[in-house]
Amino acid sequence: DAGITQSPRHKVTETGTPVTLRCHQTENHRYMYWYRQDPGHGLRLIHYSYGVKDTDKGEVSDGYSVSRSKTEDFLLTLESATSSQTSVYFCAITAGYNSPLHFGNGTRLTVT
Amino acid sequence: AQSVSQHNHHVILSEAASLELGCNYSYGGTVNLFWYVQYPGQHLQLLLKYFSGDPLVKGIKGFEAEFIKSKFSFNLRKPSVQWSDTAEYFCAAYGGTSYGKLTFGQGTILTVHP
Repeated sequence: DAGITQSPRHKVTETGTPVTLRCHQTENHRYMYWYRQDPGHGLRLIHYSYGVKDTDKGEVSDGYSVSRSKTEDFLLTLESATSSQTSVYFCAITAGYNSPLHFGNGTRLTVT
Repeated sequence: AQSVSQHNHHVILSEAASLELGCNYSYGGTVNLFWYVQYPGQHLQLLLKYFSGDPLVKGIKGFEAEFIKSKFSFNLRKPSVQWSDTAEYFCAAYGGTSYGKLTFGQGTILTVHP
């Protein structure tokens, strides 16, 4: 398995609180991604990064922000969590050209 | 808009039956295609991938998929399923050089009865 660690693995938080999820990789890959998984929707791209301080929005970016200050770390922040952000969040990495995406173990977030 | 659709939400089979899961995509230009599997409570694992070349792609655990450009399809097949194949299967795609910006299908839950 690719060297991807997500933390925390589980989190319960209250509506309106800020939450930060961390993705750490040991592969030195340039490309990193945050997806959320919801029943009936498959996975949907939230934000992605093509390098340090190079990030962009994905399909469902509203309510989320990201930061990447080091190659190995990609942080996803929910500034003010809402119940609609209850989901499983997956980080993924790829080496790029002709390389598939490899996923972390996921973070299950519950917003009450 | 780019999209990926999977025809079946839930497929139920007995062991040793043959499997085919449908996947259609809507992309202009070059497309890169993937099948991922997710066992209960686990992360997504890559089954197989298509970037170019031979349209018949072989993956892990006896799975294969065929890229049919004229039909915009990338169906997953396995000649004989096992109970351990019980999982959710996702078809995904990205276009051109949009590395990693995958569009996923809705997923197909496969249940295999012993």
